[in-house]
Amino acid sequence: QVQLVQSGAEVKKPGASVKVSCKASGYTFTAYYIHWVRQAPGQGLEWVGWINPNSGGTNYAQNLQGWVTVTRDTSISTVYMEVSRLRSDDTAVYYCARSPGISNYAMDVWGQGTTVTVSS
Amino acid sequence: SYELTQPPSVSVSPGQTASITCSGDKLGIKYAFWYQQKPGQSPVLVIHQNSRRPSGIPERISGSNSGNTATLTISGTQAMDEADYYCQAWDSNIAVVFGGGTKLTVL
Repeated sequence: QVQLVQSGAEVKKPGASVKVSCKASGYTFTAYYIHWVRQAPGQGLEWVGWINPNSGGTNYAQNLQGWVTVTRDTSISTVYMEVSRLRSDDTAVYYCARSPGISNYAMDVWGQGTTVTVSS
Repeated sequence: SYELTQPPSVSVSPGQTASITCSGDKLGIKYAFWYQQKPGQSPVLVIHQNSRRPSGIPERISGSNSGNTATLTISGTQAMDEADYYCQAWDSNIAVVFGGGTKLTVL
């Protein structure tokens, strides 16, 4: 079955970096974009960015450009999201999700979420 | 940047119809998508491309989109429908925008 499986919870200090993985299975990895979406405690969904696993092309939310980097390794069907210079307000559950394309498409499969806690 | 506005909360009695709105400038010329999220769980797509239901989503969940407002309608609301609902659209065809979310309470 189609699955996105994310790496485990992380606890980081302010100023550090974190790298979260999302491993895809059950479908052709390069046929679907992968998005990252985060949700701070008690808050709504915030889109972080997407990657086209076929070309490696990316796009990020304006307020996160320069702070977030999304990459992929097609040999193991895995996408990575790295957040640098962590602050306390980066504490959130980070989800990966796939979409068949951009512009007219929804995120139809989601990962289980990865909790990132930033605390001194 | 593009913004989507949802009411923070909606209440409905069991068996009645719940309507959750999502407003944005000329939203009707874009596609609207809706996600359901229950506590401690990942979001689930319930409506795509304004009114299409993914496989496994009950027929009592429907969507529409016209003018500046998209609407998610749940007919014959059940206790299991109690959740947070988020609308989503695309901005300039390359960036994703979410509404702030609506907490649906089934009284």
